Amino acid sequence: QSALTQPASVSGSPGQSITISCTGTSNDVGTYNLVSWYRQHPGKAPKLMIYEVTKRPSGVSDRFSGSKSGNTASLTISGLQAEDEADYYCCSHVGSTIYVFGTGTTVTVL
Amino acid sequence: EVQLVESGGGLVQPGGSLRLSCTASGFTFGHYWMSWVRQAPGKGLEWVANIDQDGGGIQYVDSVKGRFTISRDNAKNSLHLQMSGLTDEDTGIYYCARLLVYFDYWGQGAVVTVSS
Repeated sequence: QSALTQPASVSGSPGQSITISCTGTSNDVGTYNLVSWYRQHPGKAPKLMIYEVTKRPSGVSDRFSGSKSGNTASLTISGLQAEDEADYYCCSHVGSTIYVFGTGTTVTVL
Repeated sequence: EVQLVESGGGLVQPGGSLRLSCTASGFTFGHYWMSWVRQAPGKGLEWVANIDQDGGGIQYVDSVKGRFTISRDNAKNSLHLQMSGLTDEDTGIYYCARLLVYFDYWGQGAVVTVSS
């Protein structure tokens, strides 16, 4: 199972909105509404930010939103803040409780 | 508060073995699937293995099949990963995570270094 494709880096100024894409295939992202997104600060464990494509866990800011179209899922961060600077990973179920992560995107706040 | 604490990491020679453990608290451990996810130095996340609530359902990523064994002890709220035939490609941080259809809680990770 190949990793989902994400841009290596995305940047934006404070207050702006950015979108991170996550491209898979019809065998994973395109079939299952089970895409999740994780934020990882340097030296820290990943944290769940979005699950089941669009849902936010309790405690996650509503500045984070998710969507999906065809084989591509997206994470949008609005009102970009310094604390959003981190690595972001998407993840998709691919059947039989097997999962695949994206290649990861480094978000830089300019 | 949900907590997952990994242990057992360390330095091991190529071809060697290591057993990781994850101790869970703050939730009914036996009610949840559990997973191991790893991260090579400077690289992305890679799902490694899952185990269902009673240990009867197990899946592995292809690269560890036949070398790694995931198991659990619900009486001790613990998850394990027995690793053998280790290579330098197995070097990294190994995270224990609780699995719904997404990974909702993660431990801080155990560092595994495979080197001679």
